[in-house]
Amino acid sequence: AQSVTQLDSHVSVSEGTPVLLRCNYSSSYSPSLFWYVQHPNKGLQLLLKYTSAATLVKGINGFEAEFKKSETSFHLTKPSAHMSDAAEYFCVVSPRGSGNTGKLIFGQGTTLQVKP
Amino acid sequence: GAGVSQSPRYKVTKRGQDVTLRCDPISSHATLYWYQQALGQGPEFLTYFNYEAQPDKSGLPSDRFSAERPEGSISTLTIQRTEQRDSAMYRCASSLEGQINTEAFFGQGTRLTVV
Repeated sequence: AQSVTQLDSHVSVSEGTPVLLRCNYSSSYSPSLFWYVQHPNKGLQLLLKYTSAATLVKGINGFEAEFKKSETSFHLTKPSAHMSDAAEYFCVVSPRGSGNTGKLIFGQGTTLQVKP
Repeated sequence: GAGVSQSPRYKVTKRGQDVTLRCDPISSHATLYWYQQALGQGPEFLTYFNYEAQPDKSGLPSDRFSAERPEGSISTLTIQRTEQRDSAMYRCASSLEGQINTEAFFGQGTRLTVV
């Protein structure tokens, strides 16, 4: 079975400081992994995706994530937080394997608060 | 259209009533997904379509839930005899095809409240 665990439900940082949002996954197959962001009253937006190419993935708005198979982790980072980064972030796995439909399995989400 | 459009944005209904939610995907997209997101949780898969076919409806929580996409474009999600536990955000997404590397584009969702 495939699953995703986001280790923090809420993260608070000061503007200009680094951001770390943690995610661990469980998958029977080598998965595809994604981070989505959800701003209030907006739809989910793709930040970045890992699909078995480079293990360090760069996304939009300065975010990046590193796939570590040995740790089954896919943590999201950003060197310097901006006020506009305040949102809810979802780590997502799409399992490979026969019959895969591209179905996405979401973590429970991490709310990022950015303080001035 | 330019993006995935869902209507209505908000729906309040009385327990026992039927509701129908609508999703208008990006016009070139073959695959359409429905997700249910309870408050404080991540979205959970309900069902998906490839054009008008519905290969997987394993996530539909009960036979009160059904979805259609009769012409392979617009889709509706119907909940019959609504219950308070059906209160959630319902999200629709579409993608070019149901492949693992293809980005899914999400609509803004429909917030359903059953009173």
